[in-house]
Amino acid sequence: DAGVIQSPRHEVTEMGQEVTLRCKPISGHDYLFWYRQTMMRGLELLIYFNNNVPIDDSGMPEDRFSAKMPNASFSTLKIQPSEPRDSAVYFCASSPTGPGEKLFFGSGTQLSVL
Amino acid sequence: TQLLEQSPQFLSIQEGENLTVYCNSSSVFSSLQWYRQEPGEGPVLLVTVVTGGEVKKLKRLTFQFGDARKDSSLHITAAQPGDTGLYLCAGVKGGSEKLVFGKGTKLTVNP
Repeated sequence: DAGVIQSPRHEVTEMGQEVTLRCKPISGHDYLFWYRQTMMRGLELLIYFNNNVPIDDSGMPEDRFSAKMPNASFSTLKIQPSEPRDSAVYFCASSPTGPGEKLFFGSGTQLSVL
Repeated sequence: TQLLEQSPQFLSIQEGENLTVYCNSSSVFSSLQWYRQEPGEGPVLLVTVVTGGEVKKLKRLTFQFGDARKDSSLHITAAQPGDTGLYLCAGVKGGSEKLVFGKGTKLTVNP
């Protein structure tokens, strides 16, 4: 079975550019999560969806970040405009049961903003 | 302030040695999970503990949840190079539904 699929694996962009990260969750999982991982702060929850509806976006850093889930098999995280401090690994995860349950992570997108 | 403090931050040992890593908090958690993350990959769940005092074993790995449900430990017996990775604890705080993660312990097992 395919796991959570993220693209791209690596993204290098210049400050001010728009960045779009993509995620395909595991089929049948009703919950989708976007996390950000840095050395300084570890893994931080940005936003999560249940049945394509955003439930909690309190972790989204600021208005430059937005996330959508137009259907059960696709989600995007967009940063516009990007800044060097956005450089991190962004993970998408899905779960069949809920935000406090077992999470299945993708391989992540390594974002570098120059 | 990190809700879950993991120690040590880094650990480098020789193959065959035993080790213990810790996950501590001042808050009570309804459950704690342990994940292992390999370079370039996402975390993978190893175990979930839900009952105070609970001990779970996964081959050479032993996980314990503190009696007060504020801390947990992971003990590895006879470590192997394949155990190398970042070990993360994550918990659901009482009254919340979301997982919060510690920063992890980066383990290196040298052949």
